[in-house]
Amino acid sequence: EPEVTQTPSHQVTQMGQEVILRCVPISNHLYFYWYRQILGQKVEFLVSFYNNEISEKSEIFDDQFSVERPDGSNFTLKIRSTKLEDSAMYFCASSVKSWSSYETQYFGPGTRLLVL
Amino acid sequence: AQSVTQLDSHVSVSEGTPVLLRCNYSSSYSPSLFWYVQHPNKGLQLLLKYTSAATLVKGINGFEAEFKKSETSFHLTKPSAHMSDAAEYFCVVAGNQFYFGTGTSLTVIP
Repeated sequence: EPEVTQTPSHQVTQMGQEVILRCVPISNHLYFYWYRQILGQKVEFLVSFYNNEISEKSEIFDDQFSVERPDGSNFTLKIRSTKLEDSAMYFCASSVKSWSSYETQYFGPGTRLLVL
Repeated sequence: AQSVTQLDSHVSVSEGTPVLLRCNYSSSYSPSLFWYVQHPNKGLQLLLKYTSAATLVKGINGFEAEFKKSETSFHLTKPSAHMSDAAEYFCVVAGNQFYFGTGTSLTVIP
């Protein structure tokens, strides 16, 4: 069964450094998402992406964040200058069709980011 | 605005006994509701979803959930717990994005 994959599974970085989190969505999916979960808190929506454009973003997704689909398979989240509070589990997800409340999103296993 | 509240952060059951994981939702319109499960070091796996068809929804691995509009609830149940059910469970309501509950950690005692 096709799965969303994410690399790396764990990332440790120094405050102020740039990190890139990578995701490979399911191959026939057209919509892509990033979520994060700070330890002990809810999973929070960051951004959705379709046709090489951001469809929607939350207030968390500020200028230090960017997303990109650099080729036909990868979907990346870049954090330009990491802060301590960026430490979290980051989940990538994808869905087949239009982004609607009825569409199932398929999630990857997550990347645990620790900023020191 | 949409939100979900998972009423228990931890649930512990004995193997072979019923499972009940509680979720209440808030939605300004007819909601789409999901339950996801996360096993250690795995992704969030869809258990089941409700999208305004039958109010009793059957999912994978023997789980089911009942949508009760009058109670704004979408509780997850399973008649008989198995050791492999031990995991983190998330209730989700969909609006312009997915809104997650805080999760319920299920422990199954042998």
